[in-house]
Amino acid sequence: EVQLVESGGGLVQPGGSLRLSCAASGMTFSDHWMSWVRQAPGKGLEWVANIKNDGSEKYYVDSVKGRFTISRDNAKNSVVLQMNSLRVDDTAVYYCARGFGLDDWGQGTLVTVSS
Amino acid sequence: DIVMTQSPDSLAVSLGERATINCKSSQSVLSSSNNQNYLAWFQQKPGQPPKMLIYWASTRKSGVPDRFSGSGSGTDFTLTISSLQAEDVAVYYCQQYYGAPITFGQGTRLEIK
Repeated sequence: EVQLVESGGGLVQPGGSLRLSCAASGMTFSDHWMSWVRQAPGKGLEWVANIKNDGSEKYYVDSVKGRFTISRDNAKNSVVLQMNSLRVDDTAVYYCARGFGLDDWGQGTLVTVSS
Repeated sequence: DIVMTQSPDSLAVSLGERATINCKSSQSVLSSSNNQNYLAWFQQKPGQPPKMLIYWASTRKSGVPDRFSGSGSGTDFTLTISSLQAEDVAVYYCQQYYGAPITFGQGTRLEIK
């Protein structure tokens, strides 16, 4: 069974940084694209970024380009989202998901950006 | 970017009746290379992460009850629940993965009438 466990969320002031991690198990991690998707309180789903299985391709939604960086460590079965210059509108539950089509999801980690 | 538009925004259906949710993409998500539609459907219950129900527009994910079905091609798609059960109350999203950025519909809230 695929398991994805996110960590690293919390409260941060505008302009601050956070590093989210996702630990994967129950799958051959290096075979899969990995993605981050977020959901602001009471809102819909917004894809944030994804990374190819070998890390050679990365894509981002326009609103986070230049501020967020996705990376992965296939030896540790983990994917990371480094978030800098955080804004109030980045407040959301951040989910890690497997595959380009988002086949499986973690439980999410809450990021709150507020002064 | 491909814009996904769902209809209706909310829907109330009686138990045992059929529920139909529509999704329209602003451009085709049908690939000429493999003749597949890069369209998925997700179910999200309160306090839970989304769960994939359907991929390739009509392929049910393993473990998903067969009352859920997907249809359509190109730009117009439908999720059908053939006989609504109480546990199907949720928000449903369509999603295109034809290319980046991956985009979702705004969601359809399904309730019991």
